[in-house]
This record gives sequence, C-alpha cells and structure tokens, in this order.
Amino acid sequence: TQLLEQSPQFLSIQEGENLTVYCNSSSVFSSLQWYRQEPGEGPVLLVTVVTGGEVKKLKRLTFQFGDARKDSSLHITAAQPGDTGLYLCAGARGNQFYFGTGTSLTVIP
Amino acid sequence: KAGVTQTPRYLIKTRGQQVTLSCSPISGHRSVSWYQQTPGQGLQFLFEYFSETQRNKGNFPGRFSGRQFSNSRSEMNVSTLELGDSALYLCASSLALAGGGNEQFFGPGTRLTVL
Repeated sequence: TQLLEQSPQFLSIQEGENLTVYCNSSSVFSSLQWYRQEPGEGPVLLVTVVTGGEVKKLKRLTFQFGDARKDSSLHITAAQPGDTGLYLCAGARGNQFYFGTGTSLTVIP
Repeated sequence: KAGVTQTPRYLIKTRGQQVTLSCSPISGHRSVSWYQQTPGQGLQFLFEYFSETQRNKGNFPGRFSGRQFSNSRSEMNVSTLELGDSALYLCASSLALAGGGNEQFFGPGTRLTVL
C-alpha cells in the first residue's frame, strides 16, 4: 500500500495549458518535497514545503501544502515542453521519506 | 558544491552474478538512502545509512545489502541477480539533522540490466 497517492498518473496537454497534480495521504508529514525526473536521470528537487497551508512559487510552478500537512498540490501555469517529465512528491516522517506514485507529464508543442 | 555521484552509470550483468554500486553523497551529508525504480513499481525504498549504520530498511530480500564508510560514501550490493532486478538504482543524500524532515538530493542513478 502506497502511503502517498498522486493523481493523475498520466497527463498529456498542449503547450500553454494549465494543470494541477495532486499528492494525497491519510498520514501527516513534517515536510513534503516535489521532484521532477527526466528519463534515465535522478529526480531533481523542485521545492520543500514545511508549514501547513504554505504556498511556494517557482516561476510558473505553484506548490501548496495542505492545512493538515497530509496533502499537497502542484499547479503549472502555461505549461511548456520543457516541463515534460515525471513529477514525484515525497513526504518526510522522522528520518524516512515516502514517495508518491508519480505523475508523468507530457507537454505537446 | 558537488552533487551526489553514482558509479557506474550503466551496468549489464547476467542472472546469478552479483553487483556492487557506489554512491558518494554531497559533502557534509551523513545520510545515504538507496532506492530501486522500475516502470511498474515506481520508486521503492531499499535502505538508509547514517553514520555507518543501517537506520531504516525497506521490504527487499536479503540479496540486497549495503554499507556506509566513515567518509559517508555508500555501496549497495545485490547478490544472485535475477531478471527482475533490472532497474534504475538511485542514491540520495541528506544532512539528516535532528528532528528529521530534511531534503534528499539524488544522484543520476545506475541503470542495471540483468540478462
């Protein structure tokens, strides 16, 4: 059983569209990270959110941590082909990290 | 500051052989975690080492083992390789400050193919 569920699992959109990826759990995390991974490479850390309700922006990417620190969302505005990749969320509990199931995003030019 | 490095990047082995993968964490990072990533199972946690001790372990058979050296470098060993062990093996390091919740930074991975 996966501790963190991401949705959707796959997403294919046109360049310029907006999208939201969700990361949900019934467990509380002390922090949550979002990563982007390209084929054959390791995940690259995008952001860490720590406080319930926290919102962080990274250019066209907006990350939100749920008030109860059980879920998170990633919103991309005006998606570009360079946003294509596998997006992973990871929740931290103590010294352990629990990874989500991943969302594979394809942005079509 | 240099990132996490993993060697080798690619490896081809045959069933029954054993393999050792290496990971050098970011300087100052004392925690090293290993993950197996496959298309069907996603990212699966293998184990975590901190100060040369295995602190956490995932649900993998005993064929998978690891160790950490005094300089925080870590190695992972898989014995009696099976076809299903073909995967991208990722290493991640973190500062592992007291209280947990530190960020993990990943290496580029080692692509293992078992024939």
